[in-house]
Amino acid sequence: GAVVSQHPSWVICKSGTSVKIECRSLDFQATTMFWYRQFPKQSLMLMATSNEGSKATYEQGVEKDKFLINHASLTLSTLTVTSAHPEDSSFYICSARVQGGLYTEAFFGQGTRLTVV
Amino acid sequence: QKEVEQDPGPLSVPEGAIVSLNCTYSNSAFQYFMWYRQYSRKGPELLMYTYSSGNKEDGRFTAQVDKSSKYISLFIRDSQPSDSATYLCAMNTGFQKLVFGTGTRLLVSP
Repeated sequence: GAVVSQHPSWVICKSGTSVKIECRSLDFQATTMFWYRQFPKQSLMLMATSNEGSKATYEQGVEKDKFLINHASLTLSTLTVTSAHPEDSSFYICSARVQGGLYTEAFFGQGTRLTVV
Repeated sequence: QKEVEQDPGPLSVPEGAIVSLNCTYSNSAFQYFMWYRQYSRKGPELLMYTYSSGNKEDGRFTAQVDKSSKYISLFIRDSQPSDSATYLCAMNTGFQKLVFGTGTRLLVSP
């Protein structure tokens, strides 16, 4: 299957600082990337969908100004958590859809565990 | 009522057992059904993908979809300790966002 690389795999930051998470499709072009959040023992919650070269579409209840998403190329999307607070601590996972593929043909990164102290 | 219901477990079985994991759903428009495996602190890995009703087999894994009952299953034969993980079902209507179950935690003991 296609490979999606997410970096960093874990990060600890101080409250009030910003953190950037990168999601790269290594061996395919991804017109669409998805960002999820997962709390312990809970399912994946879709935060936003980003399309290359356009603004991200955020799910209801997700703060656009807090979770900045940039999809500058067909192989890279970034999620920046701005002014992070302890309640933002979570597991963030990106997913990339193969160009021209069905929505279902999406591959996941390994996730980033964010801890805000 | 959640769109997709999945028992969180944990489900504990001995090595070699046949494992049955299940999800029910409420949206009759769902056409695509997936099973993902997620190890602790890792991203989900696609295991099986089925379109509409029927069975699909891949090695030790068999996915079943019964659209009339809105019920999907994943069977794992000859379970191994390395199968210990959380199994997530997911589904959608096609070009829509995936809807995930909460995941079932499986523990296979040697």
